[in-house]
Amino acid sequence: GEDVEQSLFLSVREGDSSVINCTYTDSSSTYLYWYKQEPGAGLQLLTYIFSNMDMKQDQRLTVLLNKKDKHLSLRIADTQTGDSAIYFCAERNSGNTPLVFGKGTRLSVIA
Amino acid sequence: EADIYQTPRYLVIGTGKKITLECSQTMGHDKMYWYQQDPGMELHLIHYSYGVNSTEKGDLSSESTVSRIRTEHFPLTLESARPSHTSQYLCASSELEGLYEQYFGPGTRLTVT
Repeated sequence: GEDVEQSLFLSVREGDSSVINCTYTDSSSTYLYWYKQEPGAGLQLLTYIFSNMDMKQDQRLTVLLNKKDKHLSLRIADTQTGDSAIYFCAERNSGNTPLVFGKGTRLSVIA
Repeated sequence: EADIYQTPRYLVIGTGKKITLECSQTMGHDKMYWYQQDPGMELHLIHYSYGVNSTEKGDLSSESTVSRIRTEHFPLTLESARPSHTSQYLCASSELEGLYEQYFGPGTRLTVT
């Protein structure tokens, strides 16, 4: 079945860039998403990319998609302590099935 | 700001009790979902619905049941709570088409003693 894999932890210093990586198995993925979960809250959509795009930039966030390798990354420039959270990668295929989520990457930002 | 609500936010209950976790959304979304989230972060889809009178089981076997009598309401019921049900429960909703963004509620943290 479909699978989405992420590393579980990432620790960076404030002001550095963070790169969170994700791999997926479903070659029919149409949309790929990054969600952010802050402590005690639900998930919130951070950004997304269509499968026919290679890159998307939104302020401090850059999403890179390598469709050949089924690899997605999220780069956060100038990481701040407020970026400390769990980040989930998710993919949607061409059908009407629910999103498939990775296990989440816990980002810790050290001041 | 997503208009999806969950009550209660926190619940501590004894083994064997029947409980219902409430989820409501005001966005008119057809699809709704329930996830169970481990303390270790992973999300497990336990139920979802495509619309009124539609319910489907998710990837994780669950002893809970759901109903979808109204578009905006998707309650989850545990007939007999057990300590193994202790977890965070997240409700979400999305449109049937388009970006398919899932909007999440704030969650209910359930503790069964």
